[in-house]
Amino acid sequence: QKEVEQNSGPLSVPEGAIASLNCTYSDRGSQSFFWYRQYSGKSPELIMSIYSNGDKEDGRFTAQLNKASQYVSLLIRDSQPSDSATYLCAVEIQGAQKLVFGQGTRLTINP
Amino acid sequence: ETGVTQTPRHLVMGMTNKKSLKCEQHLGHNAMYWYKQSAKKPLELMFVYSLEERVENNSVPSRFSPECPNSSHLFLHLHTLQPEDSALYLCASSLAWGLAGGKHEQFFGPGTRLTVL
Repeated sequence: QKEVEQNSGPLSVPEGAIASLNCTYSDRGSQSFFWYRQYSGKSPELIMSIYSNGDKEDGRFTAQLNKASQYVSLLIRDSQPSDSATYLCAVEIQGAQKLVFGQGTRLTINP
Repeated sequence: ETGVTQTPRHLVMGMTNKKSLKCEQHLGHNAMYWYKQSAKKPLELMFVYSLEERVENNSVPSRFSPECPNSSHLFLHLHTLQPEDSALYLCASSLAWGLAGGKHEQFFGPGTRLTVL
């Protein structure tokens, strides 16, 4: 089992709809979770971090964490074409003291 | 701009060349990282430096040699690379290494696109 798993997509969402991106992880002791956005040809950009169970909202972005289910998600409301990118989930592996990244989900917002 | 810069942005080198990648962070962070990103693969951590001391070497071949002269600068020296080493090399920094709860947020530079012929 991979340490961090994401559906590679592509995920196509119409403009204005909610995009839902999911990530599961294997290390039950993980405490820190991050979402990065990566445009084609660019480097990853940190957009959300979450450390506690529940929801964390920042503008149009909401991160959701469920440690019991080892599941973290990112919701993007009112999706815009500019949200089209690959979204990387990163999990801090307890003990290893490093971030492990998922393969990323490619999101396309269709006008 | 994240406060992390990398040079060069693009590099083409032959298998017998020696070159170096440079990274500089202006964030006052204490930890710096080298990652490799190949097509259709997750980001691979290569090296971690904390307070100028190497704390992680993720089974990277010796043809990659890191150097961290101070907490703001990080180099990756390259020699006798193979075509499969062609990738995007990313530098990142964080406030600290080995501590959870926010201090591990990593900020990436723009990367160096490396092509080995």
